[in-house]
Amino acid sequence: QVQLLQSGPEMKRPGASVKISCKTSGYPFSNHYMHWVRQAPGQGLAWMAIINPSGGFTSYAQNLQGRITVTRDTSTSTVYMELSNLRDEDTAVYFCARRSLRSGAFDVWGQGTMVIVSP
Amino acid sequence: EIVLTQSPGTLSLSPGERATLSCRASQTVPGSFLAWYQQRPGQAPRLVIYDTFTRATGIPDRFSGSGSGTDFALTISGLEPEDFGVYYCQQYGDSPPYTFGQGTRLEI
Repeated sequence: QVQLLQSGPEMKRPGASVKISCKTSGYPFSNHYMHWVRQAPGQGLAWMAIINPSGGFTSYAQNLQGRITVTRDTSTSTVYMELSNLRDEDTAVYFCARRSLRSGAFDVWGQGTMVIVSP
Repeated sequence: EIVLTQSPGTLSLSPGERATLSCRASQTVPGSFLAWYQQRPGQAPRLVIYDTFTRATGIPDRFSGSGSGTDFALTISGLEPEDFGVYYCQQYGDSPPYTFGQGTRLEI
């Protein structure tokens, strides 16, 4: 079945970088755009980025421009999200989410990756 | 950027009752590309409704979506205990950013 399996929790110092993976299975990797969404503790969902796995085209949330990089590896059907110059407010659960072909909604989600930024 | 405002913040209801959750957009949502997600504690969100009206795979027919333009609603008829959680609306129009509302907590 369709699965998005994310890498494990991370603890980082302020100023460091984190790279999270989202390994896909159960569907043609290049057919579905992939999003990244994050959720700070006790807060709502915030869209971060989108990547077209076929051509690698990306678009990022304006407030993350310059700090976020999303890439993909078609040989392993994996999408990566790297966030640099981490701040306390980047502490959150990070989700990858697949864009539906039928609509643009996010029809399959990864299990989430907790990132804690602490001195 | 389209801002989505959800109301109420919290809804406390009993099993069997009807829940109506509201989502208001700061401008017209293109193509009525609006979705609803349910999130239970410690879990990833789950798609419930997309394209304003359409139930996602496996979603029971007690869930229904409505609306157009800037005003949208999710109705759950005959609440079941498993319907608790936080519900988020989201617009996914032509181009990013794909914004979410702040959520409505549904307590059964």
